[in-house]
Amino acid sequence: DVKVTQSSRYLVKRTGEKVFLECVQDMDHENMFWYRQDPGLGLRLIYFSYDVKMKEKGDIPEGYSVSREKKERFSLILESASTNQTSMYLCASSSRAYSNTGELFFGEGSRLTVL
Amino acid sequence: AQSVTQLGSHVSVSEGALVLLRCNYSSSVPPYLFWYVQYPNQGLQLLLKYTSAATLVKGINGFEAEFKKSETSFHLTKPSAHMSDAAEYFCAVGKAGTALIFGKGTTLSVSS
Repeated sequence: DVKVTQSSRYLVKRTGEKVFLECVQDMDHENMFWYRQDPGLGLRLIYFSYDVKMKEKGDIPEGYSVSREKKERFSLILESASTNQTSMYLCASSSRAYSNTGELFFGEGSRLTVL
Repeated sequence: AQSVTQLGSHVSVSEGALVLLRCNYSSSVPPYLFWYVQYPNQGLQLLLKYTSAATLVKGINGFEAEFKKSETSFHLTKPSAHMSDAAEYFCAVGKAGTALIFGKGTTLSVSS
């Protein structure tokens, strides 16, 4: 089974702090994604990566950056956390195989509260 | 551009009743369509997916969905709701190699 692991399930940070959210997948997937989930808004794509050291902006990249130094790890960084970044963050991965339909495999999520 | 609309942010049914969650999509190419489920405080897991094979797709936990090109719909159904089906359900559209686009979700409540 594909396993996507998010290192922190719950975090509480203060405004202005730098926050790192880590995600690791164990299925050698090329593609990795960070989504943000808010009530009534569904999932919104922050950043994604198709390969090591590559990144692409999603729909809401402002206030975030990412890092992908190794194929299995994709980190989301909040350079200076703000209260409007309080949310559930979901990491996902997928294969780039020809037969792939785009199906995503998700981690359990990281619930971030910024005070 | 692709998009997906879920009709109804909240659906309530009685245990044993039919579950119907609605999803309409927009896509300029033949789409891949998905339904994911999210239980409280968990990530999303795949219920079922349509990949241009059979138009009626069966998934886990007794759910199924029918792809109707003429109606651009991919509604999710289950003949008889169970208390354990209470969760949030997301419809998504995508194509190979790109990020999925999700609907805003529908919360299903099941009462006894």
